[in-house]
Amino acid sequence: GAVVSQHPSRVICKSGTSVKIECRSLDFQATTMFWYRQFPKQSLMLMATSNEGSKATYEQGVEKDKFLINHASLTLSTLTVTSAHPEDSSFYICSARDTSGGSGSTEAFFGQGTRLTVV
Amino acid sequence: DAKTTQPPSMDCAEGRAANLPCNHSTISGNEYVYWYRQIHSQGPQYIIHGLKNNETNEMASLIITEDRKSSTLILPHATLRDTAVYYCIVKDNQGGKLIFGQGTELSVKP
Repeated sequence: GAVVSQHPSRVICKSGTSVKIECRSLDFQATTMFWYRQFPKQSLMLMATSNEGSKATYEQGVEKDKFLINHASLTLSTLTVTSAHPEDSSFYICSARDTSGGSGSTEAFFGQGTRLTVV
Repeated sequence: DAKTTQPPSMDCAEGRAANLPCNHSTISGNEYVYWYRQIHSQGPQYIIHGLKNNETNEMASLIITEDRKSSTLILPHATLRDTAVYYCIVKDNQGGKLIFGQGTELSVKP
């Protein structure tokens, strides 16, 4: 299947600093990517939909000014956690679908996730 | 998108078939059934999806009831590496976002 690469896999940052997480589709173009957050023992929670060349669409309750999303190319979306606090510590996961074929029933592929720890 | 209901946990003996059920009684006609799994501390992995007909691939089989209100994911010969949380998701063919429920934590035991 298609490959989605996420970087870094693990990051520790100080409280108050910003952290950028990259999500790349390696062998397909993705006009849309998705960002999820997962706390321990919980399911994935969708944070936002990243749209190439336009603004991201955030889910209810997710602060757009805190979680900045940029989708500047068809293969790269970035999530920046600004002014990070310990409660932002979580597992962040991106996903993308190859929609080049035009079908809406294609599967989504996920990155390996980024473990963020804010100290 | 329709909601799904799955048992929170299941056990399976290594080498036996694992049958994971999913109820999606409010599924609508244009919604597909997708299955993903997540091994601890990794991103979810796509397994299989279907609309009406049963589907089979190298990983698993998907059995969808005739009324489409429920489905079963079958891992024919479970191994220890199949221990994971399995998510059943229904999604229409418009837009792309997947909404995850709580899933079923499958433990494959020796």
